[in-house]
Amino acid sequence: DAGVTQSPTHLIKTRGQQVTLRCSPKSGHDTVSWYQQALGQGPQFIFQYYEEEERQRGNFPDRFSGHQFPNYSSELNVNALLLGDSALYLCASSLLTGEQETQYFGPGTRLLVL
Amino acid sequence: KNEVEQSPQNLTAQEGEFITINCSYSVGISALHWLQQHPGGGIVSLFMLSSGKKKHGRLIATINIQEKHSSLHITASHPRDSAVYICAVSQETSGSRLTFGEGTQLTVNP
Repeated sequence: DAGVTQSPTHLIKTRGQQVTLRCSPKSGHDTVSWYQQALGQGPQFIFQYYEEEERQRGNFPDRFSGHQFPNYSSELNVNALLLGDSALYLCASSLLTGEQETQYFGPGTRLLVL
Repeated sequence: KNEVEQSPQNLTAQEGEFITINCSYSVGISALHWLQQHPGGGIVSLFMLSSGKKKHGRLIATINIQEKHSSLHITASHPRDSAVYICAVSQETSGSRLTFGEGTQLTVNP
């Protein structure tokens, strides 16, 4: 049973470019959350997807957008990249129930913007 | 002020020592999570708790809801315990979305 997978593992882009990061959730999970972790800091919530819709969103600009597919996998898109977007991007999956569920994290995609 | 605060930021211990990492939060929560992050970046969930105490091997997590405080203890620490330990909360009004502390870098020397 594969856990959460993310691709690519590393990525280098230049300012102004666009990037797409991908996440496949743990088998049986229907909810995907994305987090940004700058160096030396805790992760910050970007948004969460459930049933192909954005369910919650953190304090990130509209340059950050996402998508969830029918198979529950998800993409994070960032347009007009800035140097400050350099970070580790983490995807976490869970099963949406009425109770709190453990979230499972992927290995992350390390993005460097030059 | 951050909604989730951890202390200490950095901790160095000798193998075998008892270690405590503290977490305080200022919001209403439905659950508190302790996570471990290794240098490669991957995060592993250690505990999720909403009351009392949980134990797994040499790790113990406690929470005091009234005081809005949690502790993670490691008994008989080992160099392989070296990692960043992160406290995160699921807020009452935010479903499964996590709000993280800044993490505690633990180094255990042989």
